[in-house]
Amino acid sequence: QSALTQPASVSGSPGQSITISCTGTSSDVGSYNLVSWYQQHPGKGPKLMIYEVNKRPSGVSYRFSGSKSGNTASLTISGLQAEDEADYYCCSYAGRTTWLFGGGTKVTVL
Amino acid sequence: EVQLLESGGGLVQPGGSLRLSCGVSGFTFTNYAMNWVRQTPGKGLEWVSAISGSGDSTYYADSVKGRFTISRDNSKNTLYLQMNSLRVEDTAIYYCASEATRHFDDWGQGTLVTVSS
Repeated sequence: QSALTQPASVSGSPGQSITISCTGTSSDVGSYNLVSWYQQHPGKGPKLMIYEVNKRPSGVSYRFSGSKSGNTASLTISGLQAEDEADYYCCSYAGRTTWLFGGGTKVTVL
Repeated sequence: EVQLLESGGGLVQPGGSLRLSCGVSGFTFTNYAMNWVRQTPGKGLEWVSAISGSGDSTYYADSVKGRFTISRDNSKNTLYLQMNSLRVEDTAIYYCASEATRHFDDWGQGTLVTVSS
């Protein structure tokens, strides 16, 4: 099983929207609506931002949204803010109680 | 407030052993499966192992199967990872994470394991 594919970096100006893609295969992203996204600031543990493709945990801003089409999932951050600058990782359940993560995307707020 | 606190990391020689612990508070421990996820600078996040809420079922990534053992003590709200036959490529920050339904709800701050001679 290979890691999911994410762009290494994405940038945007404050107030803009950005989208991070996460490409897997028909055995993981394409098979399960169990894609989750995590935000990680330097020196901190990851934080759950989206689960089950498009659900937001309590306390996560409405500016974060998720979607999926085929083997590719996406995370969109609207109204980009300075505090959104962080690394973002996608994750997909891959069956038989295993998970795959993406390589991570560094989001820069210009 | 939910808290997960890992400990036990350190420097170990190739072939050596290390036992990680993760103390949990702020939620009903037995209601959650628990996982270990590691992070290396070059390879990002990698799922390592999972254990059911009761501790009866365990699961491992192929990269650690046969070398690592996950366990939990529900009376102490503590998760463990026994790591044997350590390799240089096991060098990483190890996080514990709670899991309700196929996603990782809460994470600790991580503990660094360095395997080097």
